[in-house]
Amino acid sequence: NAGVTQTPKFRVLKTGQSMTLLCAQDMNHEYMYWYRQDPGMGLRLIHYSVGEGTTAKGEVPDGYNVSRLKKQNFLLGLESAAPSQTSVYFCASSYPPDRVNQPQHFGDGTRLSIL
Amino acid sequence: GIQVEQSPPDLILQEGANSTLRCNFSDSVNNLQWFHQNPWGQLINLFYIPSGTKQNGRLSATTVATERYSLLYISSSQTTDSGVYFCAAEFSGGYNKLIFGAGTRLAVHP
Repeated sequence: NAGVTQTPKFRVLKTGQSMTLLCAQDMNHEYMYWYRQDPGMGLRLIHYSVGEGTTAKGEVPDGYNVSRLKKQNFLLGLESAAPSQTSVYFCASSYPPDRVNQPQHFGDGTRLSIL
Repeated sequence: GIQVEQSPPDLILQEGANSTLRCNFSDSVNNLQWFHQNPWGQLINLFYIPSGTKQNGRLSATTVATERYSLLYISSSQTTDSGVYFCAAEFSGGYNKLIFGAGTRLAVHP
């Protein structure tokens, strides 16, 4: 099992460019999440999904869009990248809270720099 | 508002020393996790511990949900323990959304 896989691992963009970050999980988890981590801080939730075809806003959703067309994939899009979106992005997945032992499992992160 | 606070913010140890990291949370929790972020930036799951005590080798954790805190114990520290330790909590409201503390940065010197 690969767990949670994020693509790409690194990317440099120019202001105004668009891109999509891909997250794939092979644990059959219903829930998936996108977080961002800025220097010296903990992670903050951008968007999340509780199942295929559903998405919802987290703590810092502005400037991002997401899609969950397949259960195993969760895409994070930046339509017009801004320097304030320079960050490390983490994807995570979990079972729903009604199951026993539902920790979130994290990918290795995508380091994104916007010039 | 809902908060997760960690202490101390920074910790320096000699190899072999023991340490206790603390996580306070402002409301009752459904989920409490401890993570280690290694120097390469990877987040490693240490414990899923909304209540009670768990041990895994040199690490153990205790969450006292009624008093709204969790402790992470590191015994006989090694240089490979260096990095940042985060606790994260999911408060009532569902969907397992985690709120992270700011972390404790640990440096273990030989």
